[in-house]
This record gives sequence, C-alpha cells and structure tokens, in this order.
Amino acid sequence: AQSVAQPEDQVNVAEGNPLTVKCTYSVSGNPYLFWYVQYPNRGLQFLLKYITGDNLVKGSYGFEAEFNKSQTSFHLKKPSALVSDPALYFCAVRDSGAGSYQLTFGKGTKLSVIP
Amino acid sequence: DTGVSQDPRHKITKRGQNVTFRCDPISEHNRLYWYRQTLGQGPEFLTYFQNEAQLEKSRLLSDRFSAERPKGSFSTLEIQRTEQGDSAMYLCASSLARQGGLYYTEAFFGQGTRLTVV
Repeated sequence: AQSVAQPEDQVNVAEGNPLTVKCTYSVSGNPYLFWYVQYPNRGLQFLLKYITGDNLVKGSYGFEAEFNKSQTSFHLKKPSALVSDPALYFCAVRDSGAGSYQLTFGKGTKLSVIP
Repeated sequence: DTGVSQDPRHKITKRGQNVTFRCDPISEHNRLYWYRQTLGQGPEFLTYFQNEAQLEKSRLLSDRFSAERPKGSFSTLEIQRTEQGDSAMYLCASSLARQGGLYYTEAFFGQGTRLTVV
C-alpha cells in the first residue's frame, strides 16, 4: 500500500527566509510524487512533480522539491518566503508499480509567513 | 475558463435525500477522478475513469455512491440516502493519459462541491 506522511501540521517562517515543508512516502515500486497547494475555499493547484530524472524539480511560484530515494523523502522548498505563500500544502504519491492511478495525499501542512 | 468546472459549488441537503454533482473536465483530458476531502484531511480517492470506463473504485465508495461518465466527457457523482458523515468537499480532477512519452501526468483539480448534510 502507498502512504504519505507530512510530519508538521504547521510551519511558520519569516518573510524572506527559506522555507521547507517536509514529506516522506512509502511505496512498493517507484514513486510518482506531487506537491499541491490549496488556498481557502479553493481546489488544489498543482505545484510540481517528480516522475523520473533529475532529483531536484522546479515548479510554480518559485518552489522546488528534492527527491531522496534513500530517505524516501520529497521535501518542498523555497529560497525566500513571500506574504503570498500562506496556504495548505499537500504532498501526494502514486506507486508506479501498483496498477492503480489513485493519488494518496498527506494530511497537509499549513504554512504561515510572518511579515 | 478552461479548467475543471464543478457544479454546484455548495449543496445543503437533508439527511436521506439524494444529491448529484457534476464535473466538466479539461476538454482534452481523458482521465477523470473523484476525491473527497474532510476538514483537516487530505483528499481521499473515490473513483477514476478513463474515457467512459470506470476503471477503479475505492472501498470508501459505498453502495450509496455512484459515478458515471457518459460519452467520456462530463461526469456525475450521485449520493443516495445521504448521511451526515457524507458532509465533505467533493473534488473532481482530470488529466491526460500520456504526455511527452510519460504515461502518467499531473491531475488538475476543480474548486470542489461542498456538501453539508443536515
């Protein structure tokens, strides 16, 4: 079975400081990994994905994430937090070997940016 | 707007009533997904269509839930005899089956239908 853990319910960061939102996963095959962002009363917006290739992937709004197979992690990062970044961030995984197209999401991490 | 469209955005219903939600995917997307999200949780997978074929259903999808995608375009999700536990945000998403040689691409989500069962 595939699973995702986001160990932090909330992350607080000062504006202009680097931010990291953590994600670890568990799959039996190779992972397809995704980050989505959800603003209040809105659906999920795609940020970035890792399917194959370079472990460092870049996405929307200046976000990037690093795939680490040995640590089974896919942490979301941004060099400098903006006041427009506060939202719920969701990590999701699909097991490429499971024969299923469903994504399994983490519980989400609420990001707050302190001006 | 060429994104995923869901209707209605909000629905309040009495326990025991039937409700139906509609999803219009991005026009060239042949894969369509339904998810359910409750407060403080991430979305949970309900079901998946490729074109008009429903290929996967979660164990979360009880017999009271049914989804269709006639002609492989829009989709409907019906909940019969609603219960208070059905109160949630119902999210629809769509994706391409293949892009640039990859057989799986990211899903794009609609804004959801918020169901409240009273």
